[in-house]
Amino acid sequence: QVQLQESGPGLVKPSQTLSLTCTVSGGSVTRDTFYWNWIRQPAGKGPEWIGRVYASGSTNYNPSLKGRVNILVDTSKNQFSLQLTSVTAADSAMYYCARSTEAYYYYIDSWGQGILVTVSS
Amino acid sequence: VLTQSPGTLFLSPGEKATLSCRASQGVSVSYLAWYQQKPGQAPRLVMYGTNMRASGIPDRFTGSGSGTDFTLTISRLEPEDFGVYYCQQFTNSFHFGGGTKVEI
Repeated sequence: QVQLQESGPGLVKPSQTLSLTCTVSGGSVTRDTFYWNWIRQPAGKGPEWIGRVYASGSTNYNPSLKGRVNILVDTSKNQFSLQLTSVTAADSAMYYCARSTEAYYYYIDSWGQGILVTVSS
Repeated sequence: VLTQSPGTLFLSPGEKATLSCRASQGVSVSYLAWYQQKPGQAPRLVMYGTNMRASGIPDRFTGSGSGTDFTLTISRLEPEDFGVYYCQQFTNSFHFGGGTKVEI
């Protein structure tokens, strides 16, 4: 069974870049029909999809994040990462990495435990 | 946009829960899923493809709907069913509803 684990700093200063890594175990990021996603959830609110990457490196991002997002995959380490630039307090949230199945059905089938990121000086 | 109703359902164990998810535009039944989230935990997949139960989900959970209106029904609530439920659709990207809290 695949497992995902987020890592990175829990505190980021305003205007700086938030960088998180997701390590995948029990499965390969190169496997067909799976995409690798970042999703965030502010306290008390519903999840917000940030973007996703395929093993080939192709990406899709949430347009609302206005070009501040970059998601990369490292197949040699079985990891993928998130960079979010020019952060503000509005970017404070629980950040999850997750795997989506995208064949006939489209859904998130595995989630990491999440990492709480606070943007504050 | 996905709109979930009601915001909160106050029910007792053994009662039936009916959760609604309405989309602003038509959604393919293959792209509609439901998740359960408990405090301090990541969401957990409950239903995908509108009416396909995820692994380990008991048959008291039923999904239905098409077009813009979808429903998750829990026939007889068990104590472990309480939490927040989110619907999700995919249209070039994943979108989640605001959630329905099922509370005792």
